[in-house]
Amino acid sequence: TQLLEQSPQFLSIQEGENLTVYCNSSSVFSSLQWYRQEPGEGPVLLVTVVTGGEVKKLKRLTFQFGDARKDSSLHITAAQPGDTGLYLCAGGETGTASKLTFGTGTRLQVTL
Amino acid sequence: ETGVTQTPRHLVMGMTNKKSLKCEQHLGHNAMYWYKQSAKKPLELMFVYNFKEQTENNSVPSRFSPECPNSSHLFLHLHTLQPEDSALYLCASSPQDGSYEQYFGPGTRLTVT
Repeated sequence: TQLLEQSPQFLSIQEGENLTVYCNSSSVFSSLQWYRQEPGEGPVLLVTVVTGGEVKKLKRLTFQFGDARKDSSLHITAAQPGDTGLYLCAGGETGTASKLTFGTGTRLQVTL
Repeated sequence: ETGVTQTPRHLVMGMTNKKSLKCEQHLGHNAMYWYKQSAKKPLELMFVYNFKEQTENNSVPSRFSPECPNSSHLFLHLHTLQPEDSALYLCASSPQDGSYEQYFGPGTRLTVT
């Protein structure tokens, strides 16, 4: 069974601070996705990375896929209250393209 | 409507009841998924359907019975559930089996009493 461990599990910061969330595994993934889930809603896809070492930016969010495609990070610059939510990474398994393994989640709270 | 919709949004049922969860996607996708999200556990894949055919059953107990009459609709029939089955049940769709990008519905919050 492939596992994706996210750290930290919980993060409470003030508006304007920077933060990084990590997603680690001992397994290689074909792709890595990041989702954000708000209370009472389903996860919303933020980004997909497929190439080792790939970096993608989405406004204040920077996503990186590890060179060996076993890990990923999400960096948020100048966090805002609207960034509050549960951040989930998900790995696409090699050979079973549609099966995603989800990470343990990082719950972020950004306060004024 | 657009995206992925799920009904009901909340459901309370006894252990002897039979109920069904409904999912509908308006994205023209061909693959649909059921997930279970419990507190303190990662999102768990339950079933995958591709072009109406079940391609994945992730060792789900038989008290959960999926049905996919067409590429736009997915049901999860529930009977004789246990309290530990209480969770958020999420439906998702993707363009086709093999596409990593999945689009989720808002979920059904199920409580088994």
